[in-house]
Amino acid sequence: NAGVTQTPKFRVLKTGQSMTLLCAQDMNHEYMYWYRQDPGMGLRLIHYSVGEGTTAKGEVPDGYNVSRLKKQNFLLGLESAAPSQTSVYFCASSYGIGQYFGPGTRLTVT
Amino acid sequence: DQQVKQNSPSLSVQEGRISILNCDYTNSMFDYFLWYKKYPAEGPTFLISISSIKDKNEDGRFTVFLNKSAKHLSLHIVPSQPGDSAVYFCAASVGNYGQNFVFGPGTRLSVLP
Repeated sequence: NAGVTQTPKFRVLKTGQSMTLLCAQDMNHEYMYWYRQDPGMGLRLIHYSVGEGTTAKGEVPDGYNVSRLKKQNFLLGLESAAPSQTSVYFCASSYGIGQYFGPGTRLTVT
Repeated sequence: DQQVKQNSPSLSVQEGRISILNCDYTNSMFDYFLWYKKYPAEGPTFLISISSIKDKNEDGRFTVFLNKSAKHLSLHIVPSQPGDSAVYFCAASVGNYGQNFVFGPGTRLSVLP
């Protein structure tokens, strides 16, 4: 089992560019999440999904969109990147207590 | 205003001694609490949980204590090992729903050999 994987691991964008972060899990989990982590702060929830075809907003959804077309994949999109979106992004999935996290994507927006 | 606080950004402990990581919360409705451990360049790993119906939960070297009246929880690691050196996050939720968990900023634990 690979668990939760994220693509890419690193990315540098220029302001206004777009990109998609891919998260995949092979544990057949219903729930999937996207978080961002900034220095001195805890993980903050961007969007989440309780099942294939469903998505919902978290604490900090502005500037991001998501899609869950397949149960195993959860995509996070930035349509027009801004420097404030420089962060480390973590995807997670869960079934029951606790979440399984991917290794993270470090995104820098210049 | 942070609902979950970890007021010690870092902690150093000698190998073999006890490590105590603290977490305070402000929302009295929180009833599930988790601890995660994170190594550099990896995602957080779930460590241990506790619900508000208990005041202690133990798993091997790791014990979590919950003091609801003080809105405080702590993670004890006994004995501490160099491999325990990591960042520890506590998280709290109303109900055991993943989307509800609020994370603290983390405490970096260094276990010195």
